[in-house]
Amino acid sequence: KAGVTQTPRYLIKTRGQQVTLSCSPISGHRSVSWYQQTPGQGLQFLFEYFSETQRNKGNFPGRFSGRQFSNSRSEMNVSTLELGDSALYLCASSLKQGAYEQYFGPGTRLTVT
Amino acid sequence: SQQGEEDPQALSIQEGENATMNCSYKTSINNLQWYRQNSGRGLVHLILIRSNEREKHSGRLRVTLDTSKKSSSLLITASRAADTASYFCATSDQAGTALIFGKGTTLSVSS
Repeated sequence: KAGVTQTPRYLIKTRGQQVTLSCSPISGHRSVSWYQQTPGQGLQFLFEYFSETQRNKGNFPGRFSGRQFSNSRSEMNVSTLELGDSALYLCASSLKQGAYEQYFGPGTRLTVT
Repeated sequence: SQQGEEDPQALSIQEGENATMNCSYKTSINNLQWYRQNSGRGLVHLILIRSNEREKHSGRLRVTLDTSKKSSSLLITASRAADTASYFCATSDQAGTALIFGKGTTLSVSS
């Protein structure tokens, strides 16, 4: 079974721009969660989608948004990028909604200059 | 918000030795999980232990959970160089709605 895939793997953007990251979950997984990882804050939960609905959201500003499609693929969007948004963005899929075993993708490394 | 805190932050051992990492958390949990991350890559799920379990094994891994002390430990026996990675514990709230990760323990195993 193919694992979780994320595209692109690396991205360089300028402050003020917006960015869209994509995640394809493991086949059959309906839950997709997004995390931001930085050296200072560690791994922080952004949001979880299950059956195309956002089920849970972390403590991030409204500039961070996402959506999930009927095939469970998910996208995450960050608008008006700030330098502090530079991070590794990880997507994880799971069979069940909530805090169960999660399968992570390799991540998208976003650099904001 | 609750968060697992791993201890130590960094650990260096020789191949063949055992490695023990600890995790403490603040509030009641539904389950606790351990993940491994190799240098800037995605995380790999190692083991999930439910709040009503006290010990779980998977290959060379042994996880214990003490809910009275709000702590867990991960033991890797007979470490190998390939075990070099960061190890994170992740806890859920009692409703099991989201995973909260600790800052991790960086393990270095030298041959």
